[in-house]
Amino acid sequence: AQSVTQPDIHITVSEGASLELRCNYSYGATPYLFWYVQSPGQGLQLLLKYFSGDTLVQGIKGFEAEFKRSQSSFNLRKPSVHWSDAAEYFCAVGDSNDYKLSFGAGTTVTVRA
Amino acid sequence: DTEVTQTPKHLVMGMTNKKSLKCEQHMGHRAMYWYKQKAKKPPELMFVYSYEKLSINESVPSRFSPECPNSSLLNLHLHALQPEDSALYLCASSQDQTVGRETQYFGPGTRLLVL
Repeated sequence: AQSVTQPDIHITVSEGASLELRCNYSYGATPYLFWYVQSPGQGLQLLLKYFSGDTLVQGIKGFEAEFKRSQSSFNLRKPSVHWSDAAEYFCAVGDSNDYKLSFGAGTTVTVRA
Repeated sequence: DTEVTQTPKHLVMGMTNKKSLKCEQHMGHRAMYWYKQKAKKPPELMFVYSYEKLSINESVPSRFSPECPNSSLLNLHLHALQPEDSALYLCASSQDQTVGRETQYFGPGTRLLVL
């Protein structure tokens, strides 16, 4: 079964600074990878996903993620954060042999003025 | 349109009450999901419906009873809940149940408090 690790529980970043959120997965074959964002009291919104092809994926709200097979990673980046990016971010992996979507524990992002 | 709607937004209920949560999607998706999410934790899968039939029950207590009246609608009936059932209940849908390839779209959730 696959597993997902988000090493950073909490990240604080200044508005306008860059942001990188780490995600590592454990899975034998090529995984299906997702990043979701959850604002306080809200549901999960899909930021981007990777299935195959170009390893640099562009998403909504100015986010991008890069799939690195050699490092089993799918890190999320944003060049310049806005106060509205303060939220919980979840990395998730899907497996064609398993009905479950496996979520990481999440990273809380705080944006300071 | 990738919208999943859920009602109500908030629900407070006593341990002897019966209530229902409702979820609706009009994207033509054939798989629908119920998740439970505690604060600062990732969502935990509860049930999966595929083509209006219950396909997965993640060993959820019988006080939670799902129902899929049609392909657009998913209900979660609640009865005799415990305070530890207080959580955010999320509904999601995807084109099909093959999770690996399918993107799940989530609703805004129902915040449930059991007193």
